[in-house]
Amino acid sequence: AQSVTQLDSQVPVFEEAPVELRCNYSSSVSVYLFWYVQYPNQGLQLLLKYLSGSTLVKGINGFEAEFNKSQTSFHLRKPSVHISDTAEYFCAVSESYNTDKLIFGTGTRLQVFP
Amino acid sequence: DAGVIQSPRHEVTEMGQEVTLRCKPISGHNSLFWYRQTMMRGLELLIYFNNNVPIDDSGMPEDRFSAKMPNASFSTLKIQPSEPRDSAVYFCASREGMNTEAFFGQGTRLTVV
Repeated sequence: AQSVTQLDSQVPVFEEAPVELRCNYSSSVSVYLFWYVQYPNQGLQLLLKYLSGSTLVKGINGFEAEFNKSQTSFHLRKPSVHISDTAEYFCAVSESYNTDKLIFGTGTRLQVFP
Repeated sequence: DAGVIQSPRHEVTEMGQEVTLRCKPISGHNSLFWYRQTMMRGLELLIYFNNNVPIDDSGMPEDRFSAKMPNASFSTLKIQPSEPRDSAVYFCASREGMNTEAFFGQGTRLTVV
């Protein structure tokens, strides 16, 4: 069965600084990977996804993530954050066959300070 | 499409009462998921359906929780009897297939007093 680990529960950063949110997964088969963002009192919305092909994936709001199969990681990055990026970020994994099951990590709270 | 629609948005109930949460997935999506979000446990998968059939309910906390999907456009999550520790935000999500993203509803904030 697949699983996801987000080691950082909170990441504080100053505005315009770069940020990396870490995500590691576990699965016995090939996977699809996703990053979602949740703003206060809202549902989750997709930032980006890796299905196949290029391991560097670009998403909305200037975010990107890199799939590293050998390290079973899918870290999210942004070169310069804005106050409006303050939110909860979730990594999710789904196996590429046999099941539609979509599992989420526990989330990382990104707090951007002026 | 209006997206995934959940109702009610907020529910306050007394301990011991039955609570029913409702979800309308996006038309054409084959899979439907129920998640529970709490500060302590994050976003937990409770149960998911594929083509209206429950596939994995291993995340359902206990027998007080039940979920149904009578047709492709409607699902319910029922808690009977409810307890204060059930207080959380419950999300419904739907997905077209394995290689697509899931779309989330706005959630139902449940408070059991």
